[in-house]
Amino acid sequence: QVQLQESGPGLVKPSQTLSLTCIVSGDSISSGGYYWSWIRQHPGKGLEWIGNIYFSGRTYYNPSLKSRLTISLDTSKNQFSLKLTSVTAADTAVYYCARGGILGHAFDIWGQGTMVTVSS
Amino acid sequence: SYVLTQPPSVSVAPGKTARISCGVNLGSKTVHWYQQKPGQAPVLVVYDDSDRPSGIPERFSGSNSGNTATLTISRVEAGDEADYYCQVWDGSSDLVVFGGGTKLTVL
Repeated sequence: QVQLQESGPGLVKPSQTLSLTCIVSGDSISSGGYYWSWIRQHPGKGLEWIGNIYFSGRTYYNPSLKSRLTISLDTSKNQFSLKLTSVTAADTAVYYCARGGILGHAFDIWGQGTMVTVSS
Repeated sequence: SYVLTQPPSVSVAPGKTARISCGVNLGSKTVHWYQQKPGQAPVLVVYDDSDRPSGIPERFSGSNSGNTATLTISRVEAGDEADYYCQVWDGSSDLVVFGGGTKLTVL
């Protein structure tokens, strides 16, 4: 059974860097057929795609976040990470990691989500 | 950028059929649907326009006319009350796009 679990600080100060990790169990992030994604949800709002990373290391980012965003893989730990720099209150959200299918691009497995608040 | 349009809300009585629409000019894009209950992560309920993941009841079905995709929930139950999101992959720009979401209320 594939499971994803987000981890990281729940509180980040403005202008600092938000760093989250998604630990994958039950599947190898190096296996083909899937990519690994971050998606966020502002309080009371809809889903916003952040970006994807393939097992090759290739990334696709939401253009609105691209200048501040880095998504990376750590195959030795079977996890992937998100770094978002220069955060503001507008980055306060629940952050989800998810597994996406290469063929159809549906997200079939999601983490439980982690709330990140940007505040001094 | 590509935009998917969903009605903000849909209401339906128990036992009736709910239909939630998505998109404009979907073209050849395939549509996926997610259910999200309060405080929970989204769950995939329909993928590739009309397929259901294992464990999703047959009451959930999807269709795509090319202009509009529709999620249909038959014999609606109180437990179906949730937010529903459609999603596509825009291959022309390599982006994932979500619809704004539809709140389904069971009367």
